[in-house]
Amino acid sequence: DAGVTQSPTHLIKTRGQQVTLRCSPKSGHDTVSWYQQALGQGPQFIFQYYEEEERQRGNFPDRFSGHQFPNYSSELNVNALLLGDSALYLCASSPSHTSYEQYFGPGTRLTVT
Amino acid sequence: ELKVEQNPLFLSMQEGKNYTIYCNYSTTSDRLYWYRQDPGKSLESLFVLLSNGAVKQEGRLMASLDTKARLSTLHITAAVHDLSATYFCAVGETSGSRLTFGEGTQLTVNP
Repeated sequence: DAGVTQSPTHLIKTRGQQVTLRCSPKSGHDTVSWYQQALGQGPQFIFQYYEEEERQRGNFPDRFSGHQFPNYSSELNVNALLLGDSALYLCASSPSHTSYEQYFGPGTRLTVT
Repeated sequence: ELKVEQNPLFLSMQEGKNYTIYCNYSTTSDRLYWYRQDPGKSLESLFVLLSNGAVKQEGRLMASLDTKARLSTLHITAAVHDLSATYFCAVGETSGSRLTFGEGTQLTVNP
C-alpha cells in the first residue's frame, strides 16, 4: 500500500497564475481533505470531498476549488495566486467521512513569487 | 467556531528533563490527535484519543484526554535530542473527519 501520495513535491509559481495540486488517497479510502499550512502555523482546513462532491469548506475564498474523481483521487486548484498562498498543502484521506482515521500525505510545497 | 489552543508555543528543554504540553479546545469533541512535524516535512501521527480518560504511551511520550475539561496533555519523559520537532494537537468533529489544529509547540531539546 503506497499510502497517501501527492504531486508535485514542490513548485514555484508567479502571482496571478493558476496551480493544480493532486492527491491520491490511501487504498480503500473514499474521503479526501485538503489543508493549507503557512510557515510557522498549524494546518488550516480548506475543504473535504467524498462521493465526488465538496461536502465541507473552511474559511477560504472561491479562488480555491477542488475536484474528486471516481477513483477517489482529488485535485486542489488555486486561481489568481497571491504571495500569501505560499504554503505547504497537505492532503489527508479517511476510510469514510465519519471515520476518525486520518492519513496525511507528504505535502506539496507551493512558493508564489 | 472551534478553537484549539496549545501552550507553550516554544519550549526549550534539557536532555533528561520532563515537561508537559497542553492543548485546550473550545467545544465538545471526543477525537483528539497529536502529531509531530519535522522541518519541511509532513505530519507524523503520534496518538489518537477517542474517549474521556484515554491515555496512550509510546516511548518517552504519553498523551491523555479529559473531555469534560476539554484538555489534552502530551507529557515528555526524560527528553532526548531526537524529540526536537514541532508538536500539534488537533481536534476532530464528533461526526466527521475535519480537523482543527492548534498553533503548534516548537520543542528544542538541548544536550
